Amino acid sequence: QVQLVESGGGVVQPGRSLRLSCVASGFTLSSYGMHWVRQAPGKGLEWVAIISYDGNYKNYADSVMGRFTVSRDNSKNTVFLQMDSLRAEDTAFYYCARSYRYCDYWGPGTLVTVSS
Amino acid sequence: EIAMTQSPVTLSVSPGERATLSCRASQSVSSNLAWYQQQPGQAPRLLIYGASSRATDIPARFSGNGSGTEFTLTISSLQSEDFAVYYCQQYNYWPRTFGQGTKVEIK
Repeated sequence: QVQLVESGGGVVQPGRSLRLSCVASGFTLSSYGMHWVRQAPGKGLEWVAIISYDGNYKNYADSVMGRFTVSRDNSKNTVFLQMDSLRAEDTAFYYCARSYRYCDYWGPGTLVTVSS
Repeated sequence: EIAMTQSPVTLSVSPGERATLSCRASQSVSSNLAWYQQQPGQAPRLLIYGASSRATDIPARFSGNGSGTEFTLTISSLQSEDFAVYYCQQYNYWPRTFGQGTKVEIK
């Protein structure tokens, strides 16, 4: 069955960096684009980024453009989200999701807290 | 950016009753509209894609309708496990955008 598991979350100071990972299993990762979506505690969903199946196309929300970078290593069944210059407003659960244009399978999420 | 507006914010329904949730897009998104369900403490789950197609293993009591700018999600007879927050999302344009959510609570 399709499984996605995020990791790498934690508490980080404003201005610092963090890298999230999303390990996929139960399907051929190299055939699918992958999204990152976040959710601030008690708030709604916000789409963050997408990477195409081969890594050649990437797109970002304006709120993270220039600070976050999505990448992937299909040989390791893993997608990454490099988050630089973190701000308090980046505090959220971060989910990776398989892309069929929409998000058809989601991981359980990892919590990122940006605080001094 | 396409704005997605859901109504109502909260819907109070008795078990076994019908629930109708609405989602409006600020401009036409054709049928590129998905609905997700989120239980407390869990990740969202895909319910509907293409405005009206049920995702894998989604019960027939969930149905979606609409195109262009107006969409509805109907739950024909609410079960206890259906009390949750529901989000719509357009995937016709970048950036992908979600509605703010409708919470379906027990009346």
